[in-house]
Amino acid sequence: AQKVTQAQTEISVVEKEDVTLDCVYETRDTTYYLFWYKQPPSGELVFLIRRNSFDEQNEISGRYSWNFQKSTSSFNFTITASQVVDSAVYFCALRGGYNTDKLIFGTGTRLQVFP
Amino acid sequence: IAGITQAPTSQILAAGRRMTLRCTQDMRHNAMYWYRQDLGLGLRLIHYSNTAGTTGKGEVPDGYSVSRANTDDFPLTLASAVPSQTSVYFCASSDWTGGGPVFFGQGTRLTVV
Repeated sequence: AQKVTQAQTEISVVEKEDVTLDCVYETRDTTYYLFWYKQPPSGELVFLIRRNSFDEQNEISGRYSWNFQKSTSSFNFTITASQVVDSAVYFCALRGGYNTDKLIFGTGTRLQVFP
Repeated sequence: IAGITQAPTSQILAAGRRMTLRCTQDMRHNAMYWYRQDLGLGLRLIHYSNTAGTTGKGEVPDGYSVSRANTDDFPLTLASAVPSQTSVYFCASSDWTGGGPVFFGQGTRLTVV
């Protein structure tokens, strides 16, 4: 069975602080894909990143960075120098390998960034 | 602009009534999905379709049905709505080739009273 766990329900930080959102996953597939989505207060779901199971390189995009570690089944998301506009619910998701089209989400982490 | 269109945006529905949520995508994606989002539970998969003509059950399929007659449309039907189906419903699609990202519609807020 596939499962995604986001243990942090809610995080509050002050602007300019760094914050890391944790994601732990479970799967028996050898090929799989991991995603992060952002859901701002307006409600839409915004795709942030996709990683496949064969690529463990960390990725940086501006103030966002992702740390993928297969050894600990984790795909953590760090926001550097957080801003008020980063306030949102962030979802980690897992998609299995071939012939398994289901995208399974964690329960999300609500990030509040205060000025 | 390419994307996913859901209709209606919101709806208040009497319990026991039948309702179809519409979803259309113009990206020619082969896979489509329906999720419901409830506070504290995240997004849960209701039904999915890998390609036109096929559908599959997700985590919470009971009380819902879907069809995939063509590539673009993936309607979700509540045969007899109950209050526990009050939720925000998201339609999504992806190009499965290479494990592409999943894109979401704007959501339908459904209240069953």
